[in-house]
Amino acid sequence: DQQVKQNSPSLSVQEGRISILNCDYTNSMFDYFLWYKKYPAEGPTFLISISSIKDKNEDGRFTVFLNKSAKHLSLHIVPSQPGDSAVYFCAASGMDSNYQLIWGAGTKLIIKP
Amino acid sequence: EAGVAQSPRYKIIEKRQSVAFWCNPISGHATLYWYQQILGQGPKLLIQFQNNGVVDDSQLPKDRFSAERLKGVDSTLKIQPAKLEDSAVYLCASSLSHGLDYGYTFGSGTRLTVV
Repeated sequence: DQQVKQNSPSLSVQEGRISILNCDYTNSMFDYFLWYKKYPAEGPTFLISISSIKDKNEDGRFTVFLNKSAKHLSLHIVPSQPGDSAVYFCAASGMDSNYQLIWGAGTKLIIKP
Repeated sequence: EAGVAQSPRYKIIEKRQSVAFWCNPISGHATLYWYQQILGQGPKLLIQFQNNGVVDDSQLPKDRFSAERLKGVDSTLKIQPAKLEDSAVYLCASSLSHGLDYGYTFGSGTRLTVV
């Protein structure tokens, strides 16, 4: 039972363009969402988060959008840079999960020069 | 500040053997997590410690997996006996305290291959 789904295993984007990574969830009790970035042979690193009371959060080139009615969130990276090539994980948390993080399977982002 | 240290980086064992992983969290971090990440999947929490007490071990296969955090600092995760399906990256993370207001810092992980 996958409560957090990232349906695109990989995504290829031209350098300088916008990268959009998507994440869907099924549990309406989730109220906090995070994006992590992972390079090969390293642990995940925190990127950006959003609380369910907001629909948008911005940090530099990274913006996360939350659509609660659709149970969907997305991460926008503008402009995309070669160093953004990594695996991106979406994670969610809420009372139902005892506030533990429930993770998606990840999307591998490849930025082409 | 030094990051979360894990060892070994890689381990290959035969099924039914035992294996142990070690984690040293960031100094002063009270909360320590062990995650299992199977190839193509997201990390799955195995166990969470707050200081030297267990907060959540509901997804730890207790018939073969055990973990301890003596003195509330470093931690070991053991598998005995290992099965083929235990092949995964084992990630350790720490945070100042429990709660998402405190960021997690992950170690680089131990890649386990069971043959």
